[in-house]
Amino acid sequence: DTAVSQTPKYLVTQMGNDKSIKCEQNLGHDTMYWYKQDSKKFLKIMFSYNNKELIINETVPNRFSPKSPDKAHLNLHINSLELGDSAVYFCASSQDSLGQFPYEQFFGPGTRLTVL
Amino acid sequence: DQQVKQNSPSLSVQEGRISILNCDYTNSMFDYFLWYKKYPAEGPTFLISISSIKDKNEDGRFTVFLNKSAKHLSLHIVPSQPGDSAVYFCALQRGGSQGNLIFGKGTKLSVKP
Repeated sequence: DTAVSQTPKYLVTQMGNDKSIKCEQNLGHDTMYWYKQDSKKFLKIMFSYNNKELIINETVPNRFSPKSPDKAHLNLHINSLELGDSAVYFCASSQDSLGQFPYEQFFGPGTRLTVL
Repeated sequence: DQQVKQNSPSLSVQEGRISILNCDYTNSMFDYFLWYKKYPAEGPTFLISISSIKDKNEDGRFTVFLNKSAKHLSLHIVPSQPGDSAVYFCALQRGGSQGNLIFGKGTKLSVKP
């Protein structure tokens, strides 16, 4: 059973389009994340979210928005796609238990987004 | 501005020998230091971690060393095996930050039979 899954695995689209990437975790975790790995291979946090709080990395454009229909899902919506959005996007989850740092994060396989 | 630096993009080691992967950081505010391993077309997987109050943590063939004064972290793998060939990411975490990880750029390890 896949712990953290993402769909689609590959996404090719035109500039200006709106797209979504879905993420689901079956680990019962209460915190989920989105990371972006750009062409320079840096993995950078975009959002972290649990049922109490959404924390947004201030460098993320507001064209990106996370949507969580329930605790097991955190989808990423991207409006008006730009060339610079091309990257691999990873979803992750962890059990947010106070006093139990470090929070081991479990990652999905990634979604490679290509904007033409 | 890179808070976490892995200055060696790649490392090649013979099977059975020791692999040493290095990581430097600039900010002392981090409380936990982690290593993740990543195979192609997969997400990173957690390998080993160390808290800022320790200087060594060992788990089987993997040992992580932390030198806080030098702001330096290293991962030792001994003996290295071909299955260890992957990209290794150093990641830092601050207590109370909802678990957000700050990653280095990764080092690609190749273990040759």
